[in-house]
Amino acid sequence: DVKVTQSSRYLVKRTGEKVFLECVQDMDHENMFWYRQDPGLGLRLIYFSYDVKMKEKGDIPEGYSVSREKKERFSLILESASTNQTSMYLCASSLGGGSSAEAFFGQGTRLTVV
Amino acid sequence: RKEVEQDPGPFNVPEGATVAFNCTYSNSASQSFFWYRQDCRKEPKLLMSVYSSGNEDGRFTAQLNRASQYISLLIRDSKLSDSATYLCVVTRNNAGNMLTFGGGTRLMVKP
Repeated sequence: DVKVTQSSRYLVKRTGEKVFLECVQDMDHENMFWYRQDPGLGLRLIYFSYDVKMKEKGDIPEGYSVSREKKERFSLILESASTNQTSMYLCASSLGGGSSAEAFFGQGTRLTVV
Repeated sequence: RKEVEQDPGPFNVPEGATVAFNCTYSNSASQSFFWYRQDCRKEPKLLMSVYSSGNEDGRFTAQLNRASQYISLLIRDSKLSDSATYLCVVTRNNAGNMLTFGGGTRLMVKP
């Protein structure tokens, strides 16, 4: 079974802090994703990586950056956390495109910025 | 206009009922289509892929209409355990590896 592991289930951070969300997958998947999920807005793509050190902006990249130094690990960074970044963050990975585009998700990190 | 649109529901149905959800997508270049299921406070999980010819998995049937750009999911003989949010997902880039999610349709199956 594919396993996608996010480092924390719950986090509480203060406004202005730098926040790191870590995600690790164990299936040698090419693609990794960070989404946030908010009530009424669904899942929105923040960043996408299709290879080590390669990334593409998603729909809402402002206020976020990412790092993929190793294939199995994809980090989401909030440079200076703000209250509007309080959300559920979901990491996912997939093998490839087309019929291999099935995404496997981590259990999510509920981040609260106070 | 959102890339992937779904009726948020909730759809309240009795056990044993048949229920259908539709989803429309705006990018005619989308290549791959999926239905995901998300339980309350859990991560989304793949329910089934959607193929051009339509496909069935037990009580679940998925259909794709490329001309009209919509996808459907039919659930027959609903069970209490089918209560969840159903997410319509399409790929949107040329490589076919970037997924866009609809907002989800909530289903509640009552005894």
